[in-house]
Amino acid sequence: EPEVTQTPSHQVTQMGQEVILRCVPISNHLYFYWYRQILGQKVEFLVSFYNNEISEKSEIFDDQFSVERPDGSNFTLKIRSTKLEDSAMYFCASSELWGPYNSPLHFGNGTRLTVT
Amino acid sequence: GIQVEQSPPDLILQEGANSTLRCNFSDSVNNLQWFHQNPWGQLINLFYIPSGTKQNGRLSATTVATERYSLLYISSSQTTDSGVYFCAVAGRGGADGLTFGKGTHLIIQP
Repeated sequence: EPEVTQTPSHQVTQMGQEVILRCVPISNHLYFYWYRQILGQKVEFLVSFYNNEISEKSEIFDDQFSVERPDGSNFTLKIRSTKLEDSAMYFCASSELWGPYNSPLHFGNGTRLTVT
Repeated sequence: GIQVEQSPPDLILQEGANSTLRCNFSDSVNNLQWFHQNPWGQLINLFYIPSGTKQNGRLSATTVATERYSLLYISSSQTTDSGVYFCAVAGRGGADGLTFGKGTHLIIQP
């Protein structure tokens, strides 16, 4: 069964450094998302991406964050200057259609980001 | 924004038992999904169910949209069912992003 793949599985970085988290969505999916989960807490929506542009973003997704689809397969999340509070599991997800049109969300296994 | 409340927060059962997990939401939704987060942190989609009833093996779900709740039933629990079950919704305003509840932490003991 097709999967969403994320790399790396674990990233350790120092405060103030830039990080790029990478994702390969399922090939026939059109909508891409990033979510995060701080340890022990609920999953939070960051951003959705469709047709090479941001469709929606949450309050968490401030100017330190950016997303890009640099080629036909990869989807990346960049954090420009990491803070301690950015430590979390970051999940990439994709769906075939827009959510309300009977389109389940498929998640990758996540990248655990640790900011020291 | 839309609020999602799940109950119970924690549930410990013996293998073979049945369970019902509940998700209440504060507004009309056009997207409701149930996920299982296993002990390795993977999020697995169980159901897309903004209304009606669906079944998949030992799991079934029912959403009563008019009364703003959804139920997830797990029958004949197995230890592999352990983990956190999340309900996630998007409101009728057309939001892309899902709002997750805090989850139900289920432990199935052998």
